[in-house]
This record gives sequence, structure tokens and C-alpha cells, in this order.
Amino acid sequence: QVQLQQWGAGLLKPSETLSLTCVADGGSFSGYYWSWIRQPPGKGLEWIGEINHSGSTNYNASLKSRVIISVDTSKRQFSLKLTSVTAADTAVYYCARRDVLISHWGQGTLVTVSS
Amino acid sequence: QFVLTQPPSVSAAPGQKVAISCSGSSSNIGRNYVSWYQQFPGTVPKLLIFDNNRRPSGIPDRFSGSKSGTSATLDITGLQTGDEADYYCGTWDSSLSAVLFGGGTKLTVL
Repeated sequence: QVQLQQWGAGLLKPSETLSLTCVADGGSFSGYYWSWIRQPPGKGLEWIGEINHSGSTNYNASLKSRVIISVDTSKRQFSLKLTSVTAADTAVYYCARRDVLISHWGQGTLVTVSS
Repeated sequence: QFVLTQPPSVSAAPGQKVAISCSGSSSNIGRNYVSWYQQFPGTVPKLLIFDNNRRPSGIPDRFSGSKSGTSATLDITGLQTGDEADYYCGTWDSSLSAVLFGGGTKLTVL
């Protein structure tokens, strides 16, 4: 059974780069796509993008120009970078595993963008 | 502006049944499995239904899912006050190569 543990900075200023990392503890790492999902306060879920063990990615078209998702298979880690953040990027960010759509979630990280 | 359309809210009395709809298109629901998630305030979403109508271990059979064409439905029977939560549908979109979620439905048990 996989457990996802994520970490990263929780407070950013406008124009800075959001950076989060997630480690998958247990289970297969190579057999899945690994996703990032966010949820603004009081709003719904928004899928950001995903990566597999070989580095193949899929991104939400609306965020693609600002998003980089990378993977370090040796450490069972995958990371999210979101550039040029604004207040609209304030949200809880989740890492997750995609199999039956999304089956496992990280604990979530609240990222606040404020000057 | 979610690609998958859910009603913002539904309500019903304890013990009653409620249905939450999720409408999509041929490139998403029409072609791929649908999952449903339950989320209480301040908590991580929980997988309720996957592959349209399958329940993970531990999910009571009061929760059931179905799909027809480009729409899916989550049915909850024997409503309890503890079922008050937000419910999200989700699926893969084959044209966008993206995971899609509905906007979410807030269930109130009156």
C-alpha cells in the first residue's frame, strides 16, 4: 500500500516559483502516473499534471506554460514547479497516484501567495 | 467552467436516497471509467467509487455508481447526517490527455 508524503514552501510572494516534492513510500513506482492536483479555498479540485517513471508528462492545458513536473525514480520522488505565481494560485496542493483515476493522495500542502 | 458538470448542491432527509449527476462528453465519460470522491471540510478527498460502479474495500453499499453514455450518477441510499460532504466525479479525457473533475456537489442531509 503506497503512502504519499509531500513537502514544500507554504508562503510565496507574487512572481515567485512554487516548488513541492512528493515521495511514494511502498508499492510499485514504475507502474503508475504520478499527479499533482490543487484545490483553492472553498473551491473544487483542479488537476495540474502528471509524470511517469520514464519522465513522460501530461499537463492541464490552462497551466502548461507555467508548470514543470519532474521525477527522480531512484528516490521514488516527483516534484512540481509552478512559475510566476499570483494570488489565484493560492490553494491546497496534493500529490497523488493515478490508476483508477486517483486512488491515493498526499496529505496536502496549503500554499498561500501574498505580498 | 468545469468540463464535467455537476449540480452545485443536493439535499434530502435522513434515510432517503439522493442521486448526484455528472455530465461530460464522448471524449471523457463516454470513453473512460468514472470515479467518485467524498470530501469533508479540511480533509483529503476519499475514493468512493471507481470504474463506474466498483467500491473500494470499506465503502458501504449505500454508495453506488452508474454510467450511461456521457453521464454518470452517484446514488446514496439510507442517507445519514454523516454523509454531508462535497462529492466530486472524475474521469480521464482521451482528447485532452488529462484528468478531469466535476465542480463538486455539496450534499446536505436535512
